[in-house]
Amino acid sequence: KAGVTQTPRYLIKTRGQQVTLSCSPISGHRSVSWYQQTPGQGLQFLFEYFSETQRNKGNFPGRFSGRQFSNSRSEMNVSTLELGDSALYLCASSSLGTSRYTGELFFGEGSRLTVL
Amino acid sequence: GIQVEQSPPDLILQEGANSTLRCNFSDSVNNLQWFHQNPWGQLINLFYIPSGTKQNGRLSATTVATERYSLLYISSSQTTDSGVYFCAVEGYSGGGADGLTFGKGTHLIIQP
Repeated sequence: KAGVTQTPRYLIKTRGQQVTLSCSPISGHRSVSWYQQTPGQGLQFLFEYFSETQRNKGNFPGRFSGRQFSNSRSEMNVSTLELGDSALYLCASSSLGTSRYTGELFFGEGSRLTVL
Repeated sequence: GIQVEQSPPDLILQEGANSTLRCNFSDSVNNLQWFHQNPWGQLINLFYIPSGTKQNGRLSATTVATERYSLLYISSSQTTDSGVYFCAVEGYSGGGADGLTFGKGTHLIIQP
């Protein structure tokens, strides 16, 4: 069974640009979560999607957004990039269904974003 | 929100040694997971253990939910065990709205 797949694995952008990251969950998993990892703040929850609906959102500005498609694949977007957005962005999927709680998470390899 | 504290922050051991990593949390949890972050950044799922004891090979974990802590045991350490170990929890109070809250991790180095 294939794991969580994230693309691209590495990318470099400049301040003011925007970026889109993609995540394909484990087959059959309908919940997709996104996390940001930085040296200063550690791992922080961004948002969670289930059945194309954002159910939960962490404490991040509106520049961070996401969506989920009918096949459960998800994308997250960061607009007007800032230097502080440089981070490892991790996607995770869960088989948990209608409960708002997270369930057991399985992570992808991450997308490492560098903002210059 | 719920607080997670991991100890020790750093641990250096010789190959073959045993180790115990601790995770304390500040409130009741419905979810607790242990992860190992490999050198490429991926979080490898070790245990999903909101309560009780589990074992997987050389690794085992115990969560005592009533006392709000969890322990990860690594026996007969190998160099490939090196990396950062994270504990992550989810409390009931947020209703799922906060996702998983991660500790700062334990950086484990196994020397040959």
